[in-house]
Amino acid sequence: DTAVSQTPKYLVTQMGNDKSIKCEQNLGHDTMYWYKQDSKKFLKIMFSYNNKELIINETVPNRFSPKSPDKAHLNLHINSLELGDSAVYFCASSANRGRVDKGDEKLFFGSGTQLSVL
Amino acid sequence: SQQGEEDPQALSIQEGENATMNCSYKTSINNLQWYRQNSGRGLVHLILIRSNEREKHSGRLRVTLDTSKKSSSLLITASRAADTASYFCATDLDNDMRFGAGTRLTVKP
Repeated sequence: DTAVSQTPKYLVTQMGNDKSIKCEQNLGHDTMYWYKQDSKKFLKIMFSYNNKELIINETVPNRFSPKSPDKAHLNLHINSLELGDSAVYFCASSANRGRVDKGDEKLFFGSGTQLSVL
Repeated sequence: SQQGEEDPQALSIQEGENATMNCSYKTSINNLQWYRQNSGRGLVHLILIRSNEREKHSGRLRVTLDTSKKSSSLLITASRAADTASYFCATDLDNDMRFGAGTRLTVKP
């Protein structure tokens, strides 16, 4: 079973459309993240949720709205897609983020969603 | 904002040689982690070193951390073609993990 799974793997869409990417983790982790990896491979954090509560919200256009219905799921909805949104989006999870130095700080990543906006 | 910055951006070596990648960062950290990314895949955790540690080993991996210089290095010994991937450092401070752009390592058979 895949620990962190995100769908779809590929998403090709037109400018102006609205799309969603789903993420689920079966590791029992408390914290989930969305990262964006651009064409230069920079991996930039977008959002972080701990037990369904938003704890990190980077400077991301408000066209991007994360939703966490429960701690095992963190979905990303994007409105009015723009060309610059084209990138690979990674979901990740980690355990016990509020307990530092407990050996649980590492992230588990999904395989990514390659978004192409035409 | 980005935190870790890897150097070099790309590294090409022969199988059997050692590969050294460096990471510099700007702020305080709780720990620093190294991840590997194969083409078209997600990142996979390799090793974590805490701010009060100076060196750590795991198999063919050796990580060092110098908090006074805000830098870390990852050494892969006796490299194999299967080590070809991108390697990222990530700084962790109070639940906030930041990555750089990675080092692209190519190991030629």
